Amino acid sequence: SQTIHQWPATLVQPVGSPLSLECTVEGTSNPNLYWYRQAAGRGLQLLFYSIGIDQISSEVPQNLSASRPQDRQFILSSKKLLLSDSGFYLCAWSVSGNSGELFFGEGSRLTVL
Amino acid sequence: AQSVSQHNHHVILSEAASLELGCNYSYGGTVNLFWYVQYPGQHLQLLLKYFSGDPLVKGIKGFEAEFIKSKFSFNLRKPSVQWSDTAEYFCAVNVDSNYQLIWGAGTKLIIKP
Repeated sequence: SQTIHQWPATLVQPVGSPLSLECTVEGTSNPNLYWYRQAAGRGLQLLFYSIGIDQISSEVPQNLSASRPQDRQFILSSKKLLLSDSGFYLCAWSVSGNSGELFFGEGSRLTVL
Repeated sequence: AQSVSQHNHHVILSEAASLELGCNYSYGGTVNLFWYVQYPGQHLQLLLKYFSGDPLVKGIKGFEAEFIKSKFSFNLRKPSVQWSDTAEYFCAVNVDSNYQLIWGAGTKLIIKP
């Protein structure tokens, strides 16, 4: 069966420090991969999605970037965190194609101080 | 622009009460429709989905939803809720088989024992 792992679960970082959140999927090949940000009372905001290795689409201009160095690995990064980057970040995958059915990781809570 | 509206941000019910959570979307083309649920401390997971066919779809844990195309709605229902249904519920729409899901803001449901 397919599984998705996301880490770290919680992270406290100072302003200006770098960020790396990692997500890996097991049990499937060539998945679509997504990074979302979940804000209370505002639903989910798509940050990045990827349909293949080194194929990244950015939905919202911001202080973050994403990379997909391997088929089932998706990384969310920042060179210098801002206070406004604090939030809850979710990784998700879907089968190749675009049905819209997503499978989510457990999320990473980022606090920037 | 496409959007998804969930009418109630917070709903409080007693056990055994009937539930209906509203979801309306603004898009006139082909849609795939989803309800996701996030139980306290758990990751987002799919509750039910509609792609085509019978507009009344049944999901896990006794939930169902009805797609009414003329009303651009996909309301979630359950005849008799349980305390374990306490969670946050998100409606989401995939338009024209795009990669992006458009999310509602979510409804926090609290069931009083």
